[in-house]
Amino acid sequence: DTGVSQDPRHKITKRGQNVTFRCDPISEHNRLYWYRQTLGQGPEFLTYFQNEAQLEKSRLLSDRFSAERPKGSFSTLEIQRTEQGDSAMYLCASQVQETQYFGPGTRLLVL
Amino acid sequence: GESVGLHLPTLSVQEGDNSIINCAYSNSASDYFIWYKQESGKGPQFIIDIRSNMDKRQGQRVTVLLNKTVKHLSLQIAATQPGDSAVYFCAENQTGRRALTFGSGTRLQVQP
Repeated sequence: DTGVSQDPRHKITKRGQNVTFRCDPISEHNRLYWYRQTLGQGPEFLTYFQNEAQLEKSRLLSDRFSAERPKGSFSTLEIQRTEQGDSAMYLCASQVQETQYFGPGTRLLVL
Repeated sequence: GESVGLHLPTLSVQEGDNSIINCAYSNSASDYFIWYKQESGKGPQFIIDIRSNMDKRQGQRVTVLLNKTVKHLSLQIAATQPGDSAVYFCAENQTGRRALTFGSGTRLQVQP
């Protein structure tokens, strides 16, 4: 499969714990995005990388959230001290030209 | 604020009929529009896109129409099939921005 992959697909955690998600973009796509999606809503932009540089962050990305793309390939999104309000689907997308292609997402449930 | 929205939250059609999903946008600077299909538990799947210098673009069984005068976008699906059942999102972007802005989605239900 040469599409965007994300791991894990599902994560259940207790409030206050830290979680980390991984995204592997389509090979040679230098642009990578993280979005968050809550039930019944469209995805909301969180952050954007061009190669290893994080160029844009949404105000949704509180200081408990951090994203990295150290080698310009895969990316990780970490949430520290999770809260119940963090429960959502976290989507990764990579881009060629103008089109963003999404991965299957990681569904997070914070108990 | 500027937003992308959809007129109908749920659309129910008979198998074989044509479907039309509508979307309104408010950002007059938007110049690129995309339709995504999202099935339950999956990420959004690219369907078709259109730039603002076009009024119509066709794909396989799908057509996107753009009316810049009234800031309206539509997705037409011909001969709708049960596999078309999903939530459909329109998204917009503008030159110089990276993040897509999505609407809240329309659920398409195809009745056999």
